[in-house]
Amino acid sequence: GQQVMQIPQYQHVQEGEDFTTYCNSSTTLSNIQWYKQRPGGHPVFLIQLVKSGEVKKQKRLTFQFGEAKKNSSLHITATQTTDVGTYFCAGQVGGSNYKLTFGKGTLLTVNP
Amino acid sequence: SQTIHQWPATLVQPVGSPLSLECTVEGTSNPNLYWYRQAAGRGLQLLFYSVGIGQISSEVPQNLSASRPQDRQFILSSKKLLLSDSGFYLCAWRAIDRAYGYTFGSGTRLTVV
Repeated sequence: GQQVMQIPQYQHVQEGEDFTTYCNSSTTLSNIQWYKQRPGGHPVFLIQLVKSGEVKKQKRLTFQFGEAKKNSSLHITATQTTDVGTYFCAGQVGGSNYKLTFGKGTLLTVNP
Repeated sequence: SQTIHQWPATLVQPVGSPLSLECTVEGTSNPNLYWYRQAAGRGLQLLFYSVGIGQISSEVPQNLSASRPQDRQFILSSKKLLLSDSGFYLCAWRAIDRAYGYTFGSGTRLTVV
């Protein structure tokens, strides 16, 4: 079945450093979504990417979707303590209109 | 605006006891509904999804079941809980036009003892 791999599993940074998490799918995706889960909380939708090579920005967060629509990345510039949490990517395969396959997530901790 | 309600927030149940978790969505019609489970420190595992009343698709064979008796109500059940059923259970909905991502409920932390 479809697999979505996400690396790294953990990342610890000093406040102000940049952070990147990567997501790779075994199959071509129709779209990819990113979620953030704060410690003790539930996942919250951040963004959806649909087009090949698409790049979207949300303040200090930059999301990219690969040309082949099999990989994606989330980059945070100048991390803050409020960025702490687990970041998940989730891919949707064309034809499977109802469900996403989630990566295992990257846990980001930020040292103030 | 749309909201999703999930309860209870925490639950401690003995092995062999039954389970019923309920999720309701407000402010939308005909949503796609999902039950996920998250083990401690791990990713999200899809358990069930539903695209309409009475329509349930199971992703993982186990001693859990799901039902959708009303358009905006999704129930997760078990007749006899196992220790391995412990985890964080999350309900989610998505609009049928798929223009937006999933909206998750606040989750139920289930501990089977």
